[in-house]
Amino acid sequence: ETGVTQTPRHLVMGMTNKKSLKCEQHLGHNAMYWYKQSAKKPLELMFVYNFKEQTENNSVPSRFSPECPNSSHLFLHLHTLQPEDSALYLCASSQESRVGYGYTFGSGTRLTVV
Amino acid sequence: GIQVEQSPPDLILQEGANSTLRCNFSDSVNNLQWFHQNPWGQLINLFYIPSGTKQNGRLSATTVATERYSLLYISSSQTTDSGVYFCAGFGNEKLTFGTGTRLTIIP
Repeated sequence: ETGVTQTPRHLVMGMTNKKSLKCEQHLGHNAMYWYKQSAKKPLELMFVYNFKEQTENNSVPSRFSPECPNSSHLFLHLHTLQPEDSALYLCASSQESRVGYGYTFGSGTRLTVV
Repeated sequence: GIQVEQSPPDLILQEGANSTLRCNFSDSVNNLQWFHQNPWGQLINLFYIPSGTKQNGRLSATTVATERYSLLYISSSQTTDSGVYFCAGFGNEKLTFGTGTRLTIIP
């Protein structure tokens, strides 16, 4: 474990389902991130939270809804997803978002939309 | 815009061989970093190397910031080195990743 824990590790959901991904860190970091990793594509930044405030939404469709109740927890709520949303979703944390190093990643949630 | 490009995309080597992975990045990118993603998806930070050279065991990295490139060297490869190696740069308050080099070490 790296200090960033993601659950579940695997998720299969239908297009009409609602599910949530969870990320937790106890590193004392103040910034948390969601990245999407699709096959044959680089990691794509989705959302950034800095001190619980969302500072970046990288043109992500509204069927993905992030939530950051405190600096240690980050959620990604999913609803009415499409098959092309199947990917590895990675959470990361760092001391704060303007410091461009010191990122710690979780092991990811592998999502399959059927 | 922010650009991070890696080569080669794929590399297959015999155990014990040495390898060099390259990362080119645009002017707007700083704080160059290298990560290794193992077959289970875990991304591990290998080096934070905005400039100069660092070594950690069989791995070393060099960044020539003035020429906008970085190199990752792996010596005496082991099967556990297999996986995808990403470089990433920080710009516009975002960490942008390259497309990765998939390294396969054959016993």
